[in-house]
Amino acid sequence: SQKIEQNSEALNIQEGKTATLTCNYTNYSPAYLQWYRQDPGRGPVFLLLIRENEKEKRKERLKVTFDTTLKQSLFHITASQPADSATYLCALFTYNTDKLIFGTGTRLQVFP
Amino acid sequence: DSGVTQTPKHLITATGQRVTLRCSPRSGDLSVYWYQQSLDQGLQFLIQYYNGEERAKGNILERFSAQQFPDLHSELNLSSLELGDSALYFCASSVADRLNTGELFFGEGSRLTVL
Repeated sequence: SQKIEQNSEALNIQEGKTATLTCNYTNYSPAYLQWYRQDPGRGPVFLLLIRENEKEKRKERLKVTFDTTLKQSLFHITASQPADSATYLCALFTYNTDKLIFGTGTRLQVFP
Repeated sequence: DSGVTQTPKHLITATGQRVTLRCSPRSGDLSVYWYQQSLDQGLQFLIQYYNGEERAKGNILERFSAQQFPDLHSELNLSSLELGDSALYFCASSVADRLNTGELFFGEGSRLTVL
């Protein structure tokens, strides 16, 4: 069956460290993968998109990698801040389903 | 502010009732998507409309229906409500009919509580 897996346990890190979140998928051939941030009770907000033929994408303190062999994307936040505390969702788009399918998200908590 | 407007923000109703959730997409966006988010299921895709026509369907129950009007706003109708329908319902919009170009813009959601 098709699955998108994100660590359901919260990730707690100290301010200033790099946070790394993982998104693994099975039985998908994604055209691209996206990462969203969601604050409690709010709608998800788009952060980054990485296509199947791209290995890495950066935006300010954010970096996303995409390994289609491992079927995995890593999402990094460098020099993390308490304001980065939120739930981060990965989402896959595949041409054969023509849908954006979301993982369940990982909650990040950055403490001072 | 994403530019996507959803009403109502909160809704409390009883089992067996019917409710309508409303969404206005970003100006210029022709596609509207509905997602359901519950604690144990994450964001589940329900349905997509593009310029008034149904474009894609996900795990939408038969008790649920949606439509997109000529002014591009959309409504999601939920009927014969059950306790398990309690969730956050998100609307999102995009410019194109297919998501092969980019991101979704989400509204703030409608929180439905069925008692």
